[in-house]
Amino acid sequence: EVQLVESGGGLVKPGGSLRLSCAVSEFTFSDAWVNWVRQAPGRGLEWVGRIKSKSNGGTTDYAAPVRGRFIISRDDSKNTLYLQMGNLRTEDTAIYYCTTEVLYNYGLEYWGHGTLVTVSS
Amino acid sequence: QTVVTQEPSFSVSPGGTVTLTCGLNSGSVSTSYYPSWYQQTPGQAPRTLIYNTNTRSSGVPDRFSGSILGNKAALTITGAQADDESDYYCILYVGSGAHVVFGGGTRLTVL
Repeated sequence: EVQLVESGGGLVKPGGSLRLSCAVSEFTFSDAWVNWVRQAPGRGLEWVGRIKSKSNGGTTDYAAPVRGRFIISRDDSKNTLYLQMGNLRTEDTAIYYCTTEVLYNYGLEYWGHGTLVTVSS
Repeated sequence: QTVVTQEPSFSVSPGGTVTLTCGLNSGSVSTSYYPSWYQQTPGQAPRTLIYNTNTRSSGVPDRFSGSILGNKAALTITGAQADDESDYYCILYVGSGAHVVFGGGTRLTVL
């Protein structure tokens, strides 16, 4: 069974930094495009960004609200996805989910259970 | 700015059929936007229902189907059950960078 397990969430002050991790198991991680999606309290789902597989260039794409502040990276040797968040704002408070895209197709497939990030003074 | 539109709420009777839609603030949705659909119950992670317009994710019952209806993507649920009561989100792939854009979600009530 494919499993995605996020970690690294917590309380951070505005302007601070945090790094999230997502460990993926029972999945061909190196071939996958993987994403971060977030959900602020009481709000809908919001795409944060994606990193493509290395065979597709390993490039990243970001949603406008986080571009220039967040960095997505991956370590295929550890089957792990990362989200480095900087210059955090109160509006970044959310549950952060990692999710894989359907292999060689379009759409999100497997989801983690999420990790909560709270930005507050 | 691309805005993906969904009905804020919908209700369906048990055993009934409901169609939720996913549109664009400007333009029509086609298969080239690769619409997909996700179900989320409170406190839970999303669950993938449909990807690439009409392909059911593994384990999803055939009561759930995806299509293009007119100028929108659509999710049809037939034989609605109590545990279908959830939030439903669509996503579209937009732009040359294939950015993912979520709709605002539809809260479905079964009563």
